[in-house]
Amino acid sequence: AQTIHQWPVAEIKAVGSPLSLGCTIKGKSSPNLYWYWQATGGTLQQLFYSITVGQVESVVQLNLSASRPKDDQFILSTEKLLLSHSGFYLCAWSQQYAEQFFGPGTRLTVL
Amino acid sequence: GDSVTQKQGQVTLSEDDFLFINCTYSTTTYPTLFWYVQYPGQGPQLLLKVTTANNKGISRGFEATYDKGTTSFHLQKASVQESDSAVYFCALFNSGGSNAKLTFGKGTKLSVKS
Repeated sequence: AQTIHQWPVAEIKAVGSPLSLGCTIKGKSSPNLYWYWQATGGTLQQLFYSITVGQVESVVQLNLSASRPKDDQFILSTEKLLLSHSGFYLCAWSQQYAEQFFGPGTRLTVL
Repeated sequence: GDSVTQKQGQVTLSEDDFLFINCTYSTTTYPTLFWYVQYPGQGPQLLLKVTTANNKGISRGFEATYDKGTTSFHLQKASVQESDSAVYFCALFNSGGSNAKLTFGKGTKLSVKS
């Protein structure tokens, strides 16, 4: 069975500080990977997607970047956090163009 | 571009009530439509998938149907329970290009009172 793990579970960071969030998928070879952002009480907005190692496409510009250093790993980062980065970050995977399955998420609070 | 409209922001029901949540969509492609459920503090879980071929999906007592004529799809359940309290999102899937893009509605928060 496939499992998706996100770390950390939650972060409290200062404005202007760097950030790195991670996601790992086990039990699935060469998945498509996605990052989503969700404001509190809001909908989900796709940020990035990756169909293979080393290739990441940006969907929305939010002063964030993403990388896929391994087949099963997806990283979201920024060098300088903004207040508007607060929210719930979700990693998801799919097998080619099938339905997407979400991880447990990381709650980010920027102060 | 694709869009999904989910007008019901909040629905409050009592146990054993009937649930109906509607979504309308706009796309230039043949859509695949999903319903996701999100419990507090968790990631969304796939609840149902509906394609233009089958027009209907059923899971965990929930039923999703699709109406091409009105470009709408809805989620229903005959008898809700308190454990069904969650946020329900409809989503439109578009596999154009190399990005399997999901466009989500704004979500409907369901509160079921015992």
